[in-house]
Amino acid sequence: EAQVTQNPRYLITVTGKKLTVTCSQNMNHEYMSWYRQDPGLGLRQIYYSMNVEVTDKGDVPEGYKVSRKEKRNFPLILESPSPNQTSLYFCASSLSYPNIWILGTLNEQFFGPGTRLTVL
Amino acid sequence: GESVGLHLPTLSVQEGDNSIINCAYSNSASDYFIWYKQESGKGPQFIIDIRSNMDKRQGQRVTVLLNKTVKHLSLQIAATQPGDSAVYFCAESRDGGGFKTIFGAGTRLFVKA
Repeated sequence: EAQVTQNPRYLITVTGKKLTVTCSQNMNHEYMSWYRQDPGLGLRQIYYSMNVEVTDKGDVPEGYKVSRKEKRNFPLILESPSPNQTSLYFCASSLSYPNIWILGTLNEQFFGPGTRLTVL
Repeated sequence: GESVGLHLPTLSVQEGDNSIINCAYSNSASDYFIWYKQESGKGPQFIIDIRSNMDKRQGQRVTVLLNKTVKHLSLQIAATQPGDSAVYFCAESRDGGGFKTIFGAGTRLFVKA
C-alpha cells in the first residue's frame, strides 16, 4: 500500500531532551516536507526536501533540523525541544517536478497520519 | 507578513446542496494554489490545484475558481455529502511547483443530513 508513515504517533518528552520523528514513504517520491499544525494557525511548513541531500527551510525552521540521506526517509530532529514546539506534526511527500503537470496535478502531496508531540 | 486567509471559519450546509468555501490571499506573486481536506484525526488530503494562468479547474464534484484581480480563491463542492464534513485549507505557493507552501487557517464544513 502506498503510504507515508511517521513514528512515533504520540510522544511526550521534556525540555531539552533530543528527539527524532521519523518519516518514510514507499512511493519513490522525490519531494518531502514537514509541517506543524497548531490551532487557529493551519499548517506551517518547517523544512522541505527536493531530493536526496537537498533540503531547504520553510516558514518556521527555527529549532528543527532535517536530513535526507535516502530518498524514502526524511527525519525531523529536535536537538533541544522546548514547550513552544508542542504541536501536531505532519510529514508529506510528492512526485513533483516544477511546472510540469503529472497525472493532472502539479504537486499532489500525500500526508502521513501525524505525530502529536508534547514538550513539558 | 504575507498570509493566506479565509472569509469564514465555519460553514454549515444541507446535504445535497452546493458548498462554496472562500479564501483570500495577499501576495500577487503567488502562482500556484491548492485545496486540502482534513478529516478529524487524519492528515490533510489533496483535493485540487490550480495555477495562476488559469481561472477555473474542475475535478470530481469539485471546482476551484481563481480571481487574480481580487486575489480570491474558492472551492465549490457540488451535491455536498456527509462525507464532505471536514476542515478545508487553501494553500499558496510562489515557486511554480508548490514546494514552499503557505496554508490558510482552515474552514470547517458541517453537512446537515
